[in-house]
Amino acid sequence: EAGVTQFPSHSVIEKGQTVTLRCDPISGHDNLYWYRRVMGKEIKFLLHFVKESKQDESGMPNNRFLAERTGGTYSTLKVQPAELEDSGVYFCASSRNFRSSYEQYFGPGTRLTVT
Amino acid sequence: DAKTTQPTSMDCAEGRAANLPCNHSTISGNEYVYWYRQIHSQGPQYIIHGLKNNETNEMASLIITEDRKSSTLILPHATLRDTAVYYCIVTLDDKIIFGKGTRLHILP
Repeated sequence: EAGVTQFPSHSVIEKGQTVTLRCDPISGHDNLYWYRRVMGKEIKFLLHFVKESKQDESGMPNNRFLAERTGGTYSTLKVQPAELEDSGVYFCASSRNFRSSYEQYFGPGTRLTVT
Repeated sequence: DAKTTQPTSMDCAEGRAANLPCNHSTISGNEYVYWYRQIHSQGPQYIIHGLKNNETNEMASLIITEDRKSSTLILPHATLRDTAVYYCIVTLDDKIIFGKGTRLHILP
């Protein structure tokens, strides 16, 4: 079984540009989560999809961040326009069924650098 | 904020059992205790979870005190590949709130 994959693994962009991160969850996993770690800080929850619906987006920092999961499969996280403080590692995770398994499987992360 | 307290770092000799403590004195009755770890530059990895009873799987054992206010993760035979930051998490839903964790160093 393939794990959670994320693309790209690294992205370097200039302040003000747009970047889109992609996450492919494990096949059959209804739940998809985004987290991020900014330099020197703890890993923070961003949001949670159940299939294509946003279940919890309480961790999204501001309206420059837009997450989508069309069709309930892969998800994208767009940052527009990017700011310096958005630099960090963005992790995606997936789990099987809502409230039946809380074991989340994480991808390797996308390292975003905003210059 | 994380609802758990863990030591900042620990050392363990290779081949010995690594015992990682976690304090969660404010845990509520239906909250689970989860353990994840993050090996350098990788995504976090699920290890084990439990509610009241002790649990064991191929990676580790989880010992939860009777009052559920603390727990211990046991890696029975630590190897160098177990060097990582270990996170103890208390939650009743899907949102994982990571704290600072314990940085475990396995010494050769």
